[in-house]
Amino acid sequence: KAGVTQTPRYLIKTRGQQVTLSCSPISGHRSVSWYQQTPGQGLQFLFEYFSETQRNKGNFPGRFSGRQFSNSRSEMNVSTLELGDSALYLCASSSGTGGMGDYGYTFGSGTRLTVV
Amino acid sequence: QKEVEQNSGPLSVPEGAIASLNCTYSDRGSQSFFWYRQYSGKSPELIMSIYSNGDKEDGRFTAQLNKASQYVSLLIRDSQPSDSATYLCAVNSRAASGSARQLTFGSGTQLTVLP
Repeated sequence: KAGVTQTPRYLIKTRGQQVTLSCSPISGHRSVSWYQQTPGQGLQFLFEYFSETQRNKGNFPGRFSGRQFSNSRSEMNVSTLELGDSALYLCASSSGTGGMGDYGYTFGSGTRLTVV
Repeated sequence: QKEVEQNSGPLSVPEGAIASLNCTYSDRGSQSFFWYRQYSGKSPELIMSIYSNGDKEDGRFTAQLNKASQYVSLLIRDSQPSDSATYLCAVNSRAASGSARQLTFGSGTQLTVLP
């Protein structure tokens, strides 16, 4: 069974640009969430999608957005990149239907974003 | 107060010893608790989940939950050098009153098992 697939694995972008990251969840998983991981802040929740609807959103500026498609694949977008957006962006999927926390979820390998 | 707090470490134990990792959380309504292991340069991997008060054992790992004390712990028996990693406690909690639940992570405890 294929795991959670994130693309690309690495990205280097310039300040002010925008970026789109992709996540394909485990087959059958309808819940997808995104996290930002930095050495200083740890794992910070970005947002969660279930059946194409954003069910929850973390405390990030509006430059961070996402969406989920009918096949459960998800994308997140960061516009007007800042140096502080450099981080590992992790996607996780779950088979749970009652909210992301009800079941453990499986993380992808992440996308390492560097903003220069 | 952080929503999920872990003993910051780093923690070093000799091979064969018991490693004890602790976590406290602030949302009394939390129902699901998880421990993840993250090797350097890798993504977090779920190793234990616990939903009821008491102990849950899986091989060398034992998770302990005390909802009254809002406390979760992970014991690793017969620690091996391959257990050296950062261990993350995760709790389903509400960031604010009325908000939807989300999985909130502690900052992690770095464990080193010395041969």
